[in-house]
Amino acid sequence: DSGVTQTPKHLITATGQRVTLRCSPRSGDLSVYWYQQSLDQGLQFLIQYYNGEERAKGNILERFSAQQFPDLHSELNLSSLELGDSALYFCASSVVWTGELFFGEGSRLTVL
Amino acid sequence: GIQVEQSPPDLILQEGANSTLRCNFSDSVNNLQWFHQNPWGQLINLFYIPSGTKQNGRLSATTVATERYSLLYISSSQTTDSGVYFCAVRSDFGNEKLTFGTGTRLTIIP
Repeated sequence: DSGVTQTPKHLITATGQRVTLRCSPRSGDLSVYWYQQSLDQGLQFLIQYYNGEERAKGNILERFSAQQFPDLHSELNLSSLELGDSALYFCASSVVWTGELFFGEGSRLTVL
Repeated sequence: GIQVEQSPPDLILQEGANSTLRCNFSDSVNNLQWFHQNPWGQLINLFYIPSGTKQNGRLSATTVATERYSLLYISSSQTTDSGVYFCAVRSDFGNEKLTFGTGTRLTIIP
């Protein structure tokens, strides 16, 4: 158990819909990262938050948005879903002094 | 951005065999991690090893940062070692994200 909690573990929805993925980082970790793993793209960095502020942005679509709340949990919102958004979405948090990342178990999204 | 290459892409071994997985990266790094993604999709931390050598049971890893590569050694393979092994690095230049290689898929046959 990495200490990073993600919900839901599985989600099946239809094209055009909107979903929210939730992540609770390890106790004491201030940074949260979101990654997408799809079959043809590997593990791609989406976005990072540090103590509530956006820190870095990667290949995140405009249909996707994220935020980190005062209690440090984070949510990734995916809207106007397309078939190609089907993927495993990972959240990670990092140890402040080393930057080592620990990943949650992922949320598997299937868009039908 | 930094490039991360892993080899071999696929490896099939008999139970009990030893293996060496390689990770090459294109720039200087301040973080290098090895992960095992099991058949259920979980990403399990194996090593945090920006430089030097570490060992954990049957697994060990070495990173030679000056030559921009890292090696993961698996000895006496077990079927539970099957899965995909990823190397991920953080560049000295840029933000704090980890950039992942494309992975090595290891299959251990009983």
